[in-house]
Amino acid sequence: NAGVTQTPKFQVLKTGQSMTLQCAQDMNHEYMSWYRQDPGMGLRLIHYSVGAGITDQGEVPNGYNVSRSTTEDFPLRLLSAAPSQTSVYFCASAKGAYRDPGNTIYFGEGSWLTVV
Amino acid sequence: AQSVTQLDSHVSVSEGTPVLLRCNYSSSYSPSLFWYVQHPNKGLQLLLKYTSAATLVKGINGFEAEFKKSETSFHLTKPSAHMSDAAEYFCVVSPFSGNTPLVFGKGTRLSVIA
Repeated sequence: NAGVTQTPKFQVLKTGQSMTLQCAQDMNHEYMSWYRQDPGMGLRLIHYSVGAGITDQGEVPNGYNVSRSTTEDFPLRLLSAAPSQTSVYFCASAKGAYRDPGNTIYFGEGSWLTVV
Repeated sequence: AQSVTQLDSHVSVSEGTPVLLRCNYSSSYSPSLFWYVQHPNKGLQLLLKYTSAATLVKGINGFEAEFKKSETSFHLTKPSAHMSDAAEYFCVVSPFSGNTPLVFGKGTRLSVIA
């Protein structure tokens, strides 16, 4: 997981609070994405970005906001936390398109979020 | 749209016996396919990836997977299970076109019995 840093690693929120999960990489990767992991559901895509100033929605974007003002950072914002957002969140980055044979995809170590 | 289906949510094997984790994919084109492993409360680790160079792909820790286009399958195997193989395994596809990131299967939990 070298190169992709997620903070915080653990967080407990109260319903209705807002917070930002940080994701940073120092590899000059254009492609970054956020996933959430829930038991029996695998990882589901929340939002992704293919470069600074460009973001798009994934499979489960509701309740989350992202921005990409720099190449290095891709923060994920929970606008008004709900218990359904209790999950493990993973950030990923890659130099180019994820399917490129020579590309390596890097994942952060995860952020465990509990909303009570 | 591309997708993967992991046919078993849980597989249990005895230590020293073969491991088979099944994955079928759906794609209009030749996809890039991956297997990732996640040990309890840990992050994701790439086991292997298929990118059309060879249909039999060898990965780390003795795992391998075979891409079978006729069966749209990408099953993961290992000849002899070790206790340390107990983990969650994800079959993953990367769409052929566009910039959409990886699509994950729902995972297979592998238990290894001593």
